[in-house]
Amino acid sequence: GQQVMQIPQYQHVQEGEDFTTYCNSSTTLSNIQWYKQRPGGHPVFLIQLVKSGEVKKQKRLTFQFGEAKKNSSLHITATQTTDVGTYFCAGGHMGGGTSYGKLTFGQGTILTVHP
Amino acid sequence: DGGITQSPKYLFRKEGQNVTLSCEQNLNHDAMYWYRQDPGQGLRLIYYSQIVNDFQKGDIAEGYSVSREKKESFPLTVTSAQKNPTAFYLCASSIDLNGFEQYFGPGTRLTVT
Repeated sequence: GQQVMQIPQYQHVQEGEDFTTYCNSSTTLSNIQWYKQRPGGHPVFLIQLVKSGEVKKQKRLTFQFGEAKKNSSLHITATQTTDVGTYFCAGGHMGGGTSYGKLTFGQGTILTVHP
Repeated sequence: DGGITQSPKYLFRKEGQNVTLSCEQNLNHDAMYWYRQDPGQGLRLIYYSQIVNDFQKGDIAEGYSVSREKKESFPLTVTSAQKNPTAFYLCASSIDLNGFEQYFGPGTRLTVT
């Protein structure tokens, strides 16, 4: 079945350092979504990428979708303590059949930021 | 306020008992989902539904059952057949299945002893 691998599992940074998490899919994706889950909370949608090679920015966050639509990354510039949480990628699958409409989530990257 | 509600926030049950987790949304979304989250793992899809009276098994449906009698409601029953039921359960909804963002409820943490 479809798999989405996400690395690293944990990342500890000093406030002000940059942070990047990566996702790789075993199959070509129709889209990729990114979510953030604060400690004790629920996932909250950040962004969706659809086009091959797409890059989107949200303030200090930069999201990329690979040319082959099988990988993606999230980069945070100059982390702040408010960035703490778990970041998940979730891949949407192409075609119909039993995969239609389903998202496959990566394992998540837990980010801690030391002030 | 529009959103998804799940109740209760914490639930404790004895092994061998069935338990039903509630999920209600007032976003007028067609699609609803149930995920299970375990430490160190991503969200794993249990069941999803794209329309009333229709639902599909996700990746880990064994030991679970759902119903979708109303558009706004998608309850999940954790049966005694589920071998490791202790987990954090998240309900989500989206406009439909066509790649839209998912809105998550606050989750129910189920502990079975």
